[in-house]
Amino acid sequence: SAVISQKPSRDICQRGTSLTIQCQVDSQVTMMFWYRQQPGQSLTLIATANQGSEATYESGFVIDKFPISRPNLTFSTLTVSNMSPEDSSIYLCSVRGASRGSNYGYTFGSGTRLTVV
Amino acid sequence: GENVEQHPSTLSVQEGDSAVIKCTYSDSASNYFPWYKQELGKGPQLIIDIRSNVGEKKDQRIAVTLNKTAKHFSLHITETQPEDSAVYFCAASGRAGSYQLTFGKGTKLSVIP
Repeated sequence: SAVISQKPSRDICQRGTSLTIQCQVDSQVTMMFWYRQQPGQSLTLIATANQGSEATYESGFVIDKFPISRPNLTFSTLTVSNMSPEDSSIYLCSVRGASRGSNYGYTFGSGTRLTVV
Repeated sequence: GENVEQHPSTLSVQEGDSAVIKCTYSDSASNYFPWYKQELGKGPQLIIDIRSNVGEKKDQRIAVTLNKTAKHFSLHITETQPEDSAVYFCAASGRAGSYQLTFGKGTKLSVIP
């Protein structure tokens, strides 16, 4: 399965600032996803990052707040903009396996633990 | 859209006993059902998955069963060990044109030595 490197692993940020999270994959993948996991909760999909086109956002998430870049098939970034304490969460990137051998399974990065003060 | 319900939310078992976690899904078009284990401070790790053309899949101490008619699937862990303690999430995906995973709310499993 794909190996994902996600940076930073954690950060403490001031309200009103922005943080960009990076996701690097060791192989080319078509589908990359960004999730949010609030403390003690399940995973909620923020958006699907499409290479060469705009990201597709889920209900409740907007591009102005969570701009996403996907410049190539191995890399994506998620920015959390104009942060407030309510944005404190774990942010995770995920990729869908590109081969039948992987059963097209989904792999997750280790996450970015964000605290907004 | 898809809705996934997961039970129980917490589960405590004695070391060596079996643990069973159950999930139901709402979208009959879903055809891929993975299970993830998440340890504290880490991202979810895929432990087993099943597709809708299969009723059961086993990997050593872990098995997953799927009942398409009833739209539910279950994770079975036998001979539990303390290192099995973690939060487990089920998910569903596969509606035509969508590759998004919808997750259950998670089960915190504690294996008591």
